[in-house]
Amino acid sequence: GNSVTQMEGPVTLSEEAFLTINCTYTATGYPSLFWYVQYPGEGLQLLLKATKADDKGSNKGFEATYRKETTSFHLEKGSVQVSDSAVYFCALSGSSNTGKLIFGQGTTLQVKP
Amino acid sequence: DADVTQTPRNRITKTGKRIMLECSQTKGHDRMYWYRQDPGLGLRLIYYSFDVKDINKGEISDGYSVSRQAQAKFSLSLESAIPNQTALYFCATSAEGTGGYEQYFGPGTRLTVT
Repeated sequence: GNSVTQMEGPVTLSEEAFLTINCTYTATGYPSLFWYVQYPGEGLQLLLKATKADDKGSNKGFEATYRKETTSFHLEKGSVQVSDSAVYFCALSGSSNTGKLIFGQGTTLQVKP
Repeated sequence: DADVTQTPRNRITKTGKRIMLECSQTKGHDRMYWYRQDPGLGLRLIYYSFDVKDINKGEISDGYSVSRQAQAKFSLSLESAIPNQTALYFCATSAEGTGGYEQYFGPGTRLTVT
């Protein structure tokens, strides 16, 4: 079945450091891929998405490229801020159009001043 | 005002009690979902509904039931709560035709079963 695997956290960085959070997936067909962010005490918000191979999703300085050959969708940001501290979830939506999302386990990011 | 609201935000209940978590949305979306979040496990789908008459089990539906009272309302019930149902519960919506691409989440309900 479909699944998503993220790198384990927590990830602790200093402000302005480069961020990479790894995400790999297993899926049949052609899934869509997403990154969601959960700030403390809040629900999840869509950060970015990519719907087909080689698409690059980007938002708020974050980027991720849909790599079908490596079944990956790694999240990157060139210079993190304290306000980026949150839990980040990689997710996929299968090609069956049910709308169901399969989530990774989440990666906690803590950015220190 | 929030587009997806959940009540209550926090609840402590005892083993064996019946409890209902409520979700309302003003986004006009057809599809609604209930997830639970556990540390280290991400979010797992409990139930989902494509419209008032179309309700489907997710991957972890045992011990839960749902009711879609209207397009805008989707409730999750625990008929007899047990401690391993202690978790953070999220409701989400998405619009038909988008393939579920963008789900919009409520703020969550933190449930503790003692």
